[in-house]
Amino acid sequence: AQTVTQSQPEMSVQEAETVTLSCTYDTSESNYYLFWYKQPPSRQMILVIRQEAYKQQNATENRFSVNFQKAAKSFSLKISDSQLGDTAMYFCAFMKLFRDDKIIFGKGTRLHILP
Amino acid sequence: NAGVTQTPKFRVLKTGQSMTLLCAQDMNHEYMYWYRQDPGMGLRLIHYSVGEGTTAKGEVPDGYNVSRLKKQNFLLGLESAAPSQTSVYFCASTNGGGLNQPQHFGDGTRLSIL
Repeated sequence: AQTVTQSQPEMSVQEAETVTLSCTYDTSESNYYLFWYKQPPSRQMILVIRQEAYKQQNATENRFSVNFQKAAKSFSLKISDSQLGDTAMYFCAFMKLFRDDKIIFGKGTRLHILP
Repeated sequence: NAGVTQTPKFRVLKTGQSMTLLCAQDMNHEYMYWYRQDPGMGLRLIHYSVGEGTTAKGEVPDGYNVSRLKKQNFLLGLESAAPSQTSVYFCASTNGGGLNQPQHFGDGTRLSIL
């Protein structure tokens, strides 16, 4: 069975700083997707970034980028030039390819951006 | 665009009461999912469906039933509500089939069981 572990329950950084959220996962699959979802106080689940395991290049979306280390089963999220609107819960998630598209979520990291 | 709509947004029940949560999507998605979110636990999959007329158990299915009679709707039922089912419930949908499409989430239903 797949598991996703986020070891940082809560983090705080100053506005404009760079912050990295950690995620490790365990799987015997070779092809899969990894995601970071953001959940602001409004409770919406918003997809931030995704990575296909077969791609060696790390995904980037504007200020958000990942450090994907497949051998180490690590998938960290870096937020550059953090903004107050980045305050949210962040969930790391795993999905097997070509199955039932079930997603396994980590327990989340609560990120506070301080003014 | 409506996307994924959950009804109701809030509900308070007494122990033993029954209710049904409705999830509706207008994106013609094949796959639909019900999750519950509890503090410190992330999102856990309750049940899911890979097509009209099909359902399957997720990680925490006990105490819940589901139905997918129409492709656009996925119902989550609590036959006899228990305080342990107090949670925020999320519905999600996707095209599925490994098409590299992310799951689209509804806004959640906050359910309290007294």
